[in-house]
Amino acid sequence: KNEVEQSPQNLTAQEGEFITINCSYSVGISALHWLQQHPGGGIVSLFMLSSGKKKHGRLIATINIQEKHSSLHITASHPRDSAVYICALYNTDKLIFGTGTRLQVFP
Amino acid sequence: DTAVSQTPKYLVTQMGNDKSIKCEQNLGHDTMYWYKQDSKKFLKIMFSYNNKELIINETVPNRFSPKSPDKAHLNLHINSLELGDSAVYFCASSQGPASVYEQYFGPGTRLTVT
Repeated sequence: KNEVEQSPQNLTAQEGEFITINCSYSVGISALHWLQQHPGGGIVSLFMLSSGKKKHGRLIATINIQEKHSSLHITASHPRDSAVYICALYNTDKLIFGTGTRLQVFP
Repeated sequence: DTAVSQTPKYLVTQMGNDKSIKCEQNLGHDTMYWYKQDSKKFLKIMFSYNNKELIINETVPNRFSPKSPDKAHLNLHINSLELGDSAVYFCASSQGPASVYEQYFGPGTRLTVT
């Protein structure tokens, strides 16, 4: 079993829909990162979480340390949100990446 | 202004050659990283430096050697290139450890070994 599991692997949505991407992990962590990789390949850090919830614009990230689970929500999705979303765990000086969720939002 | 830059953006070379990828950040960050993204788009950390000191060294072949001449630069040297080294290599930096700070990524270097 992988230390980090993301679901779903692929996700399609209509513009305006509410999106949820999940990340479950099996190891103790110091922090969890959500990253966005654009179709052109560039990677942007969206959030770094160690507890609770963070919000940037239409993006919300939550983490439940006890349940070893994090979610990334996108409200009012837009075609420009189409990208691969990756969660990464920070565990004892090591970063462990999930396999990513490919999101496509259609107009 | 580019925060984290990498050169070159594309690198095509033959097996057995030695090549380098350069990374520079102008953010004043203390920590820098090298990641490899394989053909299945899976990201894996290779190295991390904090203030020019190696702090993460994952299980990568010793043909890969990072060099940090100063806090703003972390270069990656690869000797005796192999076909399996073909991948996209990303440099990143953060103000401090990834347990506390977000990371800023470079644009990536696509390495193709023929």
